[in-house]
Amino acid sequence: AQSVTQLGSHVSVSEGALVLLRCNYSSSVPPYLFWYVQYPNQGLQLLLKYTSAATLVKGINGFEAEFKKSETSFHLTKPSAHMSDAAEYFCAVSAPGAGNMLTFGGGTRLMVKP
Amino acid sequence: DSGVTQTPKHLITATGQRVTLRCSPRSGDLSVYWYQQSLDQGLQFLIQYYNGEERAKGNILERFSAQQFPDLHSELNLSSLELGDSALYFCASSGSGTTGNTIYFGEGSWLTVV
Repeated sequence: AQSVTQLGSHVSVSEGALVLLRCNYSSSVPPYLFWYVQYPNQGLQLLLKYTSAATLVKGINGFEAEFKKSETSFHLTKPSAHMSDAAEYFCAVSAPGAGNMLTFGGGTRLMVKP
Repeated sequence: DSGVTQTPKHLITATGQRVTLRCSPRSGDLSVYWYQQSLDQGLQFLIQYYNGEERAKGNILERFSAQQFPDLHSELNLSSLELGDSALYFCASSGSGTTGNTIYFGEGSWLTVV
């Protein structure tokens, strides 16, 4: 079985500051990992995914994440926060052979201060 | 716009009633997923269909059922509704059921049970 833990249900940064959203996973097999973003009153949009190719994954809107097997982590970063990045971010894991279903973390709400 | 269409967007109904949520997947996608998002449970996988057949089952209550029709649209039926069923229900789709395939989410159907 897989699980995901997102450290920090709320993160606040200033505009222009580094964004770091933490995600740790548990999986009995090498996982596939995803970050989704949810803007208010909208659905989930895929930011990026790791599927066992390069460990540093670049996504949309300037976000990237690094898969670290030794730390079972897949933290999401962005060098410089924009006001438009304010949203809820979800880390998710799926395991090969699990029918592609996603197990989500609890989410992190990112607030960006002017 | 993910290409996944869900109706209705909002629904208010009374306890004990039955509702049907409808989903049209992205053009060409064979796999449909249903997720429930609530404040206390977070994002939970309910069920997956692939080309009309049930592929995987998650934390779906016995009062809930789903199906995928020959034209690939899907319906989620919720019966004997309780207050705790109030949530945002997402439909999602992917090209196949293969793990790692990107899953695209609709904007959700807000269900309020009063």
